[in-house]
Amino acid sequence: SQQGEEDPQALSIQEGENATMNCSYKTSINNLQWYRQNSGRGLVHLILIRSNEREKHSGRLRVTLDTSKKSSSLLITASRAADTASYFCATGGGSNYKLTFGKGTLLTVNP
Amino acid sequence: ETGVTQTPRHLVMGMTNKKSLKCEQHLGHNAMYWYKQSAKKPLELMFVYSLEERVENNSVPSRFSPECPNSSHLFLHLHTLQPEDSALYLCASSQVAGADEQFFGPGTRLTVL
Repeated sequence: SQQGEEDPQALSIQEGENATMNCSYKTSINNLQWYRQNSGRGLVHLILIRSNEREKHSGRLRVTLDTSKKSSSLLITASRAADTASYFCATGGGSNYKLTFGKGTLLTVNP
Repeated sequence: ETGVTQTPRHLVMGMTNKKSLKCEQHLGHNAMYWYKQSAKKPLELMFVYSLEERVENNSVPSRFSPECPNSSHLFLHLHTLQPEDSALYLCASSQVAGADEQFFGPGTRLTVL
């Protein structure tokens, strides 16, 4: 299975701090994506990193990918209360049509 | 929120009822997806449609019946459901099937009594 698994399951920080979430997966991938979900709502795509990339930035987000360790990390800098949400990594895409999601990390940013 | 809308947002039904979930995408995409999200479980892919043709049925019980009349609309027909089918059902679309980025609707919260 290509299933990603996020770590930690839950993370609570203060506003202004950085938040780091990790994702591990089991098989070769074409790309790895991070999504965000506010409570009971749909998922929102944050960032995609391809298997030949090592690091990518988007605003306050920084994603790294280490294909040798089959792991990725999502860093949110200078967190805000509005960043409170669940964050999921997803692997795959491509010809098998599937995105395989992990169980997510619940991030709580306290004001 | 996104270019993908879902109705209804909440649905309560008995095990003998028949109901349908509707999804519409306004993004001009060619692929649409149904996912099931249960508490404490990863998001589960149910069905994939590409240009109105079903290309993936991820071992979903026959009490769930999808329909894609055109590339903008996707339905999930429900009948004789079980309480364990209670979940958030999410629709998504992408430019082509298996494309990198998927756009999700807000979901339908289904409760089966």
